[in-house]
Amino acid sequence: DTAVSQTPKYLVTQMGNDKSIKCEQNLGHDTMYWYKQDSKKFLKIMFSYNNKELIINETVPNRFSPKSPDKAHLNLHINSLELGDSAVYFCASHPGGPNTEAFFGQGTRLTVV
Amino acid sequence: DAKTTQPNSMESNEEEPVHLPCNHSTISGTDYIHWYRQLPSQGPEYVIHGLTSNVNNRMASLAIAEDRKSSTLILHRATLRDAAVYYCILRARFSSNTGKLIFGQGTTLQVKP
Repeated sequence: DTAVSQTPKYLVTQMGNDKSIKCEQNLGHDTMYWYKQDSKKFLKIMFSYNNKELIINETVPNRFSPKSPDKAHLNLHINSLELGDSAVYFCASHPGGPNTEAFFGQGTRLTVV
Repeated sequence: DAKTTQPNSMESNEEEPVHLPCNHSTISGTDYIHWYRQLPSQGPEYVIHGLTSNVNNRMASLAIAEDRKSSTLILHRATLRDAAVYYCILRARFSSNTGKLIFGQGTTLQVKP
């Protein structure tokens, strides 16, 4: 069973569209994250949720809206897509604490044309 | 969060040991040292972590300097599958950041057959 799964794996869409990426973890973790990896390969945190509550919002444009219906799911909705939103988006989950490991999904490659 | 410094790239021959260095001169006494790696087209995956003592697991060993200002990830016998970007990350024990991972540029490891 995949610990952290994201759908879709690939997403190609036109500028101005609205799209969603879904993430589910079956590890029972309380904390989930969204990361963005741009074309230069830098991994940057976007959001962190703990038990369905937003904990961190790293100055992400408000076109990006995470939604956590329960602690096993953290979806990312993006409005009015722009060319600069093209990137690989990774979901991750973590049980909490600095002495434990985080688990990442396989990523969603978003291409805005 | 304390910063880490790693070489941009390293090369190794297959089946030889690899020592990946990381400097973290501003580490605090309660920061854990974590290593993650990202294989091509995959999400980051946990490798190993430690606080003060050297650590071994099935993937690698972590050697931590006595003053904790540097550490070295050791892959005992590199395989082609170990070609990846390796990230050294500090995680604060007492922090309000809910354990978020801050990725630097990492070290790109090439393994030659």
